Amino acid sequence: AAGVIQSPRHLIKEKRETATLKCYPIPRHDTVYWYQQGPGQDPQFLISFYEKMQSDKGSIPDRFSAQQFSDYHSELNMSSLELGDSALYFCASSPHIGSGTDTQYFGPGTRLTVL
Amino acid sequence: AQTVTQSQPEMSVQEAETVTLSCTYDTSESDYYLFWYKQPPSRQMILVIRQEAYKQQNATENRFSVNFQKAAKSFSLKISDSQLGDAAMYFCAFLATQGGSEKLVFGKGTKLTVNP
Repeated sequence: AAGVIQSPRHLIKEKRETATLKCYPIPRHDTVYWYQQGPGQDPQFLISFYEKMQSDKGSIPDRFSAQQFSDYHSELNMSSLELGDSALYFCASSPHIGSGTDTQYFGPGTRLTVL
Repeated sequence: AQTVTQSQPEMSVQEAETVTLSCTYDTSESDYYLFWYKQPPSRQMILVIRQEAYKQQNATENRFSVNFQKAAKSFSLKISDSQLGDAAMYFCAFLATQGGSEKLVFGKGTKLTVNP
């Protein structure tokens, strides 16, 4: 079965640089979520999109922005990178069931290292 | 706001034995999902099992089963016939199904070691 695709899998950037992470959801999944997992931490919710509209927002820094496109893929843009942004970034997708949400399936993650 | 607590930072089990991982949660929602995700050393987040709060029957997936106690807000995971490949970090997670918030709320995780 098709899974969530994330690219790149690994990314190394310098402080103050910009990074773009991409996510391609499972076919027919219309909702995309972004999570950040620091070393030894549990995943923390950043932001989600349903039908190309932002549907929920967590502890996402103002330096980060995201969007969902017409083909349902999503991009997370990160500017003015800081050392503390080094983490594993997960994208997850789910189908929307009626007016509610459903099981989220995770991609393999993008490991971002900021030097 | 919902909270998820995993009180066992680490657990170990002998191969072929059974182990139970604990999880408690706090919520005022009446309708929600609970999940166990497994994160092996590859760091992929793999869905292990899902429980809908409105279902009284405990979910089962092969060697994995849950003990869901809604009144006690408890959701433990039992792994039977443990295998070396079960070694991983296990996260308990809560998802409200209504009310606008769509984020998974995770516990801090339990690191499971399987001894041969």
